Amino acid sequence: QSALTQPASVSGSPGQSITISCTGTSSDVGSYNLVSWYQQHPGKAPKLMIYEGSKRPSGVSNRFSGSKSGNTASLTVSGLQAEDEADYYCCSYAGSTTGTFVFGGGTKLTVL
Amino acid sequence: EVQLVESGGGLVQPGGSLRLSCAASGFTFSSYWIHWVRQVPGKGLVWVSRINSDGSFTRYADSVKGRFTISRDNAKNTLYLQMNSLSADDTAIYYCVRDGIGSAFDIWGQGTMVTVSS
Repeated sequence: QSALTQPASVSGSPGQSITISCTGTSSDVGSYNLVSWYQQHPGKAPKLMIYEGSKRPSGVSNRFSGSKSGNTASLTVSGLQAEDEADYYCCSYAGSTTGTFVFGGGTKLTVL
Repeated sequence: EVQLVESGGGLVQPGGSLRLSCAASGFTFSSYWIHWVRQVPGKGLVWVSRINSDGSFTRYADSVKGRFTISRDNAKNTLYLQMNSLSADDTAIYYCVRDGIGSAFDIWGQGTMVTVSS
């Protein structure tokens, strides 16, 4: 149950786009279309932003998008806004053998 | 309003036990899988455990297997986490989360803090 790998930090200026990667293995990210992404502001509970790799829940801005290639999933935030500054976590189902889930280590997004 | 409210956290000595509760409201609790996720303040999220809708299927992270037990009472709309043999490594905020869409966690509680210290 090793954590998924995310960059510790990314940054961008308002209006720009950034992408956060989430690398797993062929047993988790690579095998299932069950990657989700969460946004967490300081002192708050996480919020679901993307599920099943690329789907947005109702109410989430279309500036947030997800994709996957092989064992790596990605979250792109376009048209950066100040309120996007937060921690972002990916999560994946880790397979029917274990029946568990695994999170990434988290990425701090700074809006310059 | 759809919500999950955790309770039961607090200070416990190493080797001790604690039972967390999570009260659900605003949705049909018995229809959903529910998970526990924990987070050391200032650190990342860690998946802990999950239980299916009728309580017949459970899974645990290796770090808690054999020490923690997840259960639910659908008549009371409540989820539980029995934590035994606690160590400092279990110190964290514990979140109760609903597995609502596509095996993703769409509803989160506010969390309850567990501190293991002598």
